[in-house]
Amino acid sequence: DGGITQSPKYLFRKEGQNVTLSCEQNLNHDAMYWYRQDPGQGLRLIYYSQIVNDFQKGDIAEGYSVSREKKESFPLTVTSAQKNPTAFYLCASRSQGSYGYTFGSGTRLTVV
Amino acid sequence: QQQVKQSPQSLIVQKGGISIINCAYENTAFDYFPWYQQFPGKGPALLIAIRPDVSEKKEGRFTISFNKSAKQFSLHIMDSQPGDSATYFCAARWSNYQLIWGAGTKLIIKP
Repeated sequence: DGGITQSPKYLFRKEGQNVTLSCEQNLNHDAMYWYRQDPGQGLRLIYYSQIVNDFQKGDIAEGYSVSREKKESFPLTVTSAQKNPTAFYLCASRSQGSYGYTFGSGTRLTVV
Repeated sequence: QQQVKQSPQSLIVQKGGISIINCAYENTAFDYFPWYQQFPGKGPALLIAIRPDVSEKKEGRFTISFNKSAKQFSLHIMDSQPGDSATYFCAARWSNYQLIWGAGTKLIIKP
């Protein structure tokens, strides 16, 4: 079945460590997105990529980095520079010309 | 200008009742207005969407009402069921296919 796979589902990180969240899609979608979700808030855009080897900062990119070396993969690194990284992270993809987003099931990151 | 304001933040409805969630926007350049449904621990899923040249769209028990002059749109869930309990997000499409999201409404349907 086609879809988006995010792993791991739960992730614990010590303060000062970098951590990478995985996002893989087999939908052949061109665009991919990373969002952060906090309780009581809407989805906030971290980074997005329209094509391979190109990506753009979203509204809250500070403390995060991404890469898009393959069409299917869009990993997100949460760096130690991110002041408050504990959150639910969602990856999404979209086919070119389509308006609808397909989301993964998310990764819940907790800093301990 | 880029915000989508969603209300209420939470909503409790009796089974069989009508659930209504409202959203308002300012930017007239928005050209697509989707609603997403999210269950706990899952990603949002597209529920229903509308373009501004249509005043209403219905899919099963879910209806979007769109008021272009008032810059408002709303989701109506008829005959609400416990399985409809979820968080609902409205959104609006900005340039380059970016979505601007409302803050979400947590809907609880009481049996």
